[in-house]
Amino acid sequence: DAKTTQPTSMDCAEGRAANLPCNHSTISGNEYVYWYRQIHSQGPQYIIHGLKNNETNEMASLIITEDRKSSTLILPHATLRDTAVYYCIVNIMSPDKLIFGTGTRLQVFP
Amino acid sequence: DSGVTQTPKHLITATGQRVTLRCSPRSGDLSVYWYQQSLDQGLQFLIQYYNGEERAKGNILERFSAQQFPDLHSELNLSSLELGDSALYFCASSPRTVMGVGYTFGSGTRLTVV
Repeated sequence: DAKTTQPTSMDCAEGRAANLPCNHSTISGNEYVYWYRQIHSQGPQYIIHGLKNNETNEMASLIITEDRKSSTLILPHATLRDTAVYYCIVNIMSPDKLIFGTGTRLQVFP
Repeated sequence: DSGVTQTPKHLITATGQRVTLRCSPRSGDLSVYWYQQSLDQGLQFLIQYYNGEERAKGNILERFSAQQFPDLHSELNLSSLELGDSALYFCASSPRTVMGVGYTFGSGTRLTVV
């Protein structure tokens, strides 16, 4: 079973920041937080991952709370192409399998 | 192009038939994972192979089997197909250890059983 809890759906205006929360209160010390997204039946796309420190890349920022029980994915300037299902996954590093939950369906509107 | 190649992209077959889905992992990746996604459902983990050996099994039916060959490509065999097996089947690959991206998914095979 997935170890994370995410809201079922969220809306965001184009150009605004999208903040997607994730609860992972049972995360273990050696588990990473991964974020993937799936755009309409395409293969899931890696976004970002982190262990305890905040991370940023060209796609997004990941904010992990100090107790590591929750995190937030931030898309700084959402576009219509960011409309997708976003999955938060906790996992030890490869080669362990990824277990997907139900994710958050993000709708970006004009 | 993610580097993970899945063929065929689309497959239509009749109930009771058998099909084989193929996955070529990203160059250098040792692990291959198979996932099933039915209509409006989440991604269900089926099975993982690591360097030719089965490493983990998920909710995979007995009618389904998989293998990973010496060149590291993998095949998922689905037999005695039922209407409910219609789904997207994704393959992912990952290297031995993760530094950065890690898991990369293919674009999937859409199987329709009629």
